[in-house]
Amino acid sequence: SQQGEEDPQALSIQEGENATMNCSYKTSINNLQWYRQNSGRGLVHLILIRSNEREKHSGRLRVTLDTSKKSSSLLITASRAADTASYFCATGAGSNYKLTFGKGTLLTVNP
Amino acid sequence: GAGVSQSPSNKVTEKGKDVELRCDPISGHTALYWYRQSLGQGLEFLIYFQGNSAPDKSGLPSDRFSAERTGGSVSTLTIQRTQQEDSAVYLCASSLVGQGTDTQYFGPGTRLTVL
Repeated sequence: SQQGEEDPQALSIQEGENATMNCSYKTSINNLQWYRQNSGRGLVHLILIRSNEREKHSGRLRVTLDTSKKSSSLLITASRAADTASYFCATGAGSNYKLTFGKGTLLTVNP
Repeated sequence: GAGVSQSPSNKVTEKGKDVELRCDPISGHTALYWYRQSLGQGLEFLIYFQGNSAPDKSGLPSDRFSAERTGGSVSTLTIQRTQQEDSAVYLCASSLVGQGTDTQYFGPGTRLTVL
C-alpha cells in the first residue's frame, strides 16, 4: 500500500508563480525524500529531510516536515517551464531502506 | 561522475517470453534496488541488494521474477513467462551504504511492454 499521498494530484501554474505540493504519510518515518520525474522515466532526487528536521532549503526548493501531523510540503519558488514534471514524496522508516512512494503530483508550469 | 544506467531503455516482448533487464549502479555504491512503476500501482519496491548479504526479495510479485547481482556491481532482473500485467517501467537505484537515510539515485528505467 502507498505510504505517502501527494496533494494535489495535478497542479497547473504560470511561470514565475510558486508551487506548493503536500504529502501525507501514515506511519513513523526516519526521513522523507522528494523526487522529480520527467516524462515517466528516471527519478531525480531533490531533497531529503530527516525526522528531526523541520525545514530544509535547496536553491528554489523549500521542504517542511511536520511529524506530529505526518505531513510534508514542497515549495518551488519562481517556477519555470522546465519545472514541469511529476513530483513524488518517498518515506523511509527506521533502518528500512525500502522507499515507499506516493502517487505523485503532476506539476505543469505554463510559459 | 556516471550515474545509474539501465538497458535496454525499451523492451517489447510477447506474452510468455522471458526478459532480462540490466542495471549498472554508480561505482562504489554497495546498495542496489529495483522498483517497478505501473499505471495502476505507482512505484513499488521489488528487491534490494546490500554488499554480500542475502537480498531482500520481499517485493517481488511472483516467482516468475528473480534478480541477481554479480560481483557486487551489475544487476539483472529476470522475468520469466511474461504476462501483460508485467508491463511497466522498471527502475533501478543505487545508494552508498543502504541505510535508511541514504539517498537513492535512480536510473532512467526500462519500459517493458508485454503484448
